[in-house]
Amino acid sequence: EIVLTQSPGTLSLSPGERATLSCRASQTVSSNYLAWYQQKPGQAPRLLIYGASSRATGIPDRFSGSGSGTDFTLTISRLEPEDFAVYYCQHYGSSPRTFGQGTKVEIK
Amino acid sequence: EVQLVESGGGLVQPGGSLRLSCAASGFTFSTYWMSWARQAPGKGLEWVANIKQDGSDKYYVDSVKGRFTVSRDNAKNSLYLQMNSLRAEDTAVYYCARDRGTTYSHYYMDVWGKGTTVTVSS
Repeated sequence: EIVLTQSPGTLSLSPGERATLSCRASQTVSSNYLAWYQQKPGQAPRLLIYGASSRATGIPDRFSGSGSGTDFTLTISRLEPEDFAVYYCQHYGSSPRTFGQGTKVEIK
Repeated sequence: EVQLVESGGGLVQPGGSLRLSCAASGFTFSTYWMSWARQAPGKGLEWVANIKQDGSDKYYVDSVKGRFTVSRDNAKNSLYLQMNSLRAEDTAVYYCARDRGTTYSHYYMDVWGKGTTVTVSS
């Protein structure tokens, strides 16, 4: 089973700042089968990124994904008020598909 | 509009059973793999199970194997999760999600329902 470790646990930033979230895998994620999701309190997760770097339908271009192998990054170029939430990475290259523990992006 | 609506959650005693349902609309349900995922209170996400378009292939996370069964009825555009021998650690919000991907067995979840809450407690 691939273990995904996200860092930092909490990121305190102001609107307009850049957010950089890390996701490190315990083994190589084949073919960059890595997704990122956003979850707000009381809501379902929303797909942001798949294939490590492809934005899902309707996702603003301030969200970008990068990385390969075992190290992946989600970048939010300029934080909007609606971006403060918890972000999860997930691999889907093998079974079971596992999630990271999440990074909370909070308002500073 | 693509939509998934879960139902069937509730309070159940340890060792009991519960059947969750997920009603799909706005897309051709029979052409997609479908998944269940869950989130324990204050915790992260966990993928639970998924099922092939025709129901012929099913996969489960180890912690529910032998206790949970995923199934579907394409005529009713519905996905199900039969949960038996429930434990306190199964307490969670259960989400139905659509699987998406271009390579067999490599799927991310592109549409999620709002979830239904299962509480296992005496």
